[in-house]
Amino acid sequence: DTGVSQNPRHKITKRGQNVTFRCDPISEHNRLYWYRQTLGQGPEFLTYFQNEAQLEKSRLLSDRFSAERPKGSFSTLEIQRTEQGDSAMYLCASSQRGGEVDTEAFFGQGTRLTVV
Amino acid sequence: AQKITQTQPGMFVQEKEAVTLDCTYDTSDPSYGLFWYKQPSSGEMIFLIYQGSYDQQNATEGRYSLNFQKARKSANLVISASQLGDSAMYFCAMRVGGSYIPTFGRGTSLIVHP
Repeated sequence: DTGVSQNPRHKITKRGQNVTFRCDPISEHNRLYWYRQTLGQGPEFLTYFQNEAQLEKSRLLSDRFSAERPKGSFSTLEIQRTEQGDSAMYLCASSQRGGEVDTEAFFGQGTRLTVV
Repeated sequence: AQKITQTQPGMFVQEKEAVTLDCTYDTSDPSYGLFWYKQPSSGEMIFLIYQGSYDQQNATEGRYSLNFQKARKSANLVISASQLGDSAMYFCAMRVGGSYIPTFGRGTSLIVHP
């Protein structure tokens, strides 16, 4: 499979628990993005990696959120002490520079988090 | 700062008819790229079409075309010959200048009637 892969697809957790999501980007892509999408809204940017370096973080990314991309390959997004407001779809995307222009971002199918 | 606006929360179209989904944008950077994505109920964002700010021609990809009006800062998506499988959310997005991060609009829900 050459697309962006996200695991798990669905996660139900109790408030206060920690959760971790994984994203495997397209193998040759050096840029990786995390977005959050709530019902009726477009994806909202959370954070961006170029290779293993986390270059940008949105102010939406509170200190309970942390993301890593060791070795510039897969990435993990951890949410500590989950709150009901964290319930959302978490989308991962990747892209690659193609000559003078970046390719479009390719998205995974997302991880739907429900905090009860 | 850049902004994407999609003013149509929902659109309905008859199968085989054409439909236009509106998108306006705002940026002061002369270099930017505009994207349209489709999101079916399964959740995956599917790339449809791309228009660069310096492109002279409107982008086309099969049944999709982008009506790019730079002076009006609009980048409307035209779907010709709608199919039932086109029913989905559609998102307009923009990437500006040296930023690699696409910013998305709120989306338009399209329902295609038989």
